[in-house]
Amino acid sequence: AQSVTQLDSHVSVSEGTPVLLRCNYSSSYSPSLFWYVQHPNKGLQLLLKYTSAATLVKGINGFEAEFKKSETSFHLTKPSAHMSDAAEYFCVVSAYRDTGFQKLVFGTGTRLLVSP
Amino acid sequence: DGGITQSPKYLFRKEGQNVTLSCEQNLNHDAMYWYRQDPGQGLRLIYYSQIVNDFQKGDIAEGYSVSREKKESFPLTVTSAQKNPTAFYLCATHPVAGTGPEGPQHFGDGTRLSIL
Repeated sequence: AQSVTQLDSHVSVSEGTPVLLRCNYSSSYSPSLFWYVQHPNKGLQLLLKYTSAATLVKGINGFEAEFKKSETSFHLTKPSAHMSDAAEYFCVVSAYRDTGFQKLVFGTGTRLLVSP
Repeated sequence: DGGITQSPKYLFRKEGQNVTLSCEQNLNHDAMYWYRQDPGQGLRLIYYSQIVNDFQKGDIAEGYSVSREKKESFPLTVTSAQKNPTAFYLCATHPVAGTGPEGPQHFGDGTRLSIL
């Protein structure tokens, strides 16, 4: 079975400093992994995805994530935080059933706080 | 403008009342999903549909019902049997059923349901 653990419920950074949001996954086969961002009272927006191509994945708004199979990790990073990055971030693993149904398994989220 | 439209944005339910949340998409995606989001938790799957006139229960289907009469529409009814309906409800779509787990899901902006 697939599962996702986001190691921090809250992360606080200052504007201009690096961001690290940690995610560990469990999967019985080679997974597809995603990071989504959610602003208050909004839906989820895809930041980036890993689908067994390059292990370093670049996304929108300067975010990137590295897939490390040996560590079963998919941490999200950004070199320099911006005030607009303050939001909730979800790490997600995709499970795939024989019927072709794609099920997403969500982490519990990490709230990123950015101070001036 | 392509996308997913959820309405209303805010909804209030009285005791013993059924309410219906709308989800419409013009992305021509085959698969549609309903999720429930509670504070501090990831998204949980309520129902999903891969094709018209077919849908399946997710992990927390009790107290909810759906229909899929058109490819573009996947309304969710929260029935009076759902004793704790207060939550943020998100609709999502996936391009083509059966293509595997690679593609991300696309999300609407959600409906917030509260009890009066």
